[in-house]
Parts: sequence; C-alpha cells; structure tokens
Amino acid sequence: QSVLTQPPSVSAAPGQKVTISCFGSSSNIGSNYVSWYQRLPGTAPKLLIFDNIKRPSGIPDRFSGSQSGTSATLGITGLQTGDEADYFCGTWDSGLNTGVFGGGTKVTVL
Amino acid sequence: EVQLLESGGGVVQPGGSLKLSCAGSGFTFGNYAMNWVRQAPGKGLEWVSSISYTGTGTYYADSVKGRFTISRDNSRDTLHLQMDFLRAEDTALYYCATRNPDCSGGSCYTGSEFWGQGTLVTVSS
Repeated sequence: QSVLTQPPSVSAAPGQKVTISCFGSSSNIGSNYVSWYQRLPGTAPKLLIFDNIKRPSGIPDRFSGSQSGTSATLGITGLQTGDEADYFCGTWDSGLNTGVFGGGTKVTVL
Repeated sequence: EVQLLESGGGVVQPGGSLKLSCAGSGFTFGNYAMNWVRQAPGKGLEWVSSISYTGTGTYYADSVKGRFTISRDNSRDTLHLQMDFLRAEDTALYYCATRNPDCSGGSCYTGSEFWGQGTLVTVSS
C-alpha cells in the first residue's frame, strides 16, 4: 500500500484533458514539494513536474502541476497517443524521513 | 550533460549480497544529493535510499533498513548501494537518480531530473 494515493487509471480522447490526483497527508504533500514522473515501458522515469509546479526544460506546457493542502494534481492537456504511460507522484515524508511515491496511474488515450 | 551509469546488478540467492555502483559525469558530483529508486516487475516506483551531498545524511526505506547501506565517494564521483541479506522481494530494476542542488530539505531527495538506465537485481534460488 503506497503512502500517496493515485487513481489506478484515467482515460480520454486525443486532444482532450486528463487530471491525475495524488492524495497524501500533512507530513508529506502538506509540507514538502511534489514531483511527477512519466514512465514509458523500457525507459527510465522522466521528470515532468518538480517543486509542485515547475517544469524541467524540454517539458511542454501541456503538462502542469498544482498542490493544495494534502493533495496534488497533474494535468495533461491536448492529449496525444504518445502520452500513454504510467504516471507517478512523489515527495518527501517529513514524519517517516523517507521518500514516498504514489502507486501510479495508467493513462489511456482512447 | 549529466550522465549516471549504474553497474553491479545480477542474479543472487536469497540471503546473499550485491553492491551496486553509480558513476556520475558531466556535473560536480560532490554538490548533488543522490538517490536509489527501484521498480519491481509489474510494480510501481519505490524510493529505496538517499544520501546528502556530503554523505553525512543517509536515509532508508523501512523495507531495506538494516540490510542496505548507501555511501558515496566524491573523489571518484561514485555512489554505492551495498545490499545484504537479499530477499526475493528485492528483485527489481535499480536506478540512481539526482536533481539540481537548487533545493532545500527533503526536496533535495525528490524531484529527480537525472536518471541512470538502471541495473537489474534478481534474487532467486
């Protein structure tokens, strides 16, 4: 059981928008920055969002992050077939003094 | 260009040991906190361990605490993970990862932008 809770799957048609939620607690999301990763089969995780809302260079602005209280959200607009992947949220847990990840959300483009 | 290259994975029997290494290049290794993250077959990402840029701060997941030891040699730009008393559930692809040092507190151990290609550890009799 993951410390952070994500929906197992979300789906939408090409061009549409999806949002992925990540629920935690005051000791993790409530007090530390959240990051989001995309994992395609056979490749290393790719950082999409860090420090709640920042995008690394090269990540299109179709990807956005937000955080409120003990939850965070990844938004993907203009959905493309290449966005089909597993997405993970992660952060630090100040109570456990460990890193924590969500269980992952599979995005399907219909 | 930041590059991370893991090595040391392989097949080991339950109860055995392995030492993973991660060689960094293209950046000032000694300025960066470093992390190990794993992904078991068919499972999600699992944070394993982190070490501060000086090496004085080390952190472990409960699942590996007391069995794994993270260390670094800043003179050789290398990160290590000594894994002892291995179990079948430690079977996974192990990645080393890092982020730029413009961070504070726990955020220095998350939000990793740079990842190696991973090294596979299989624990099986």
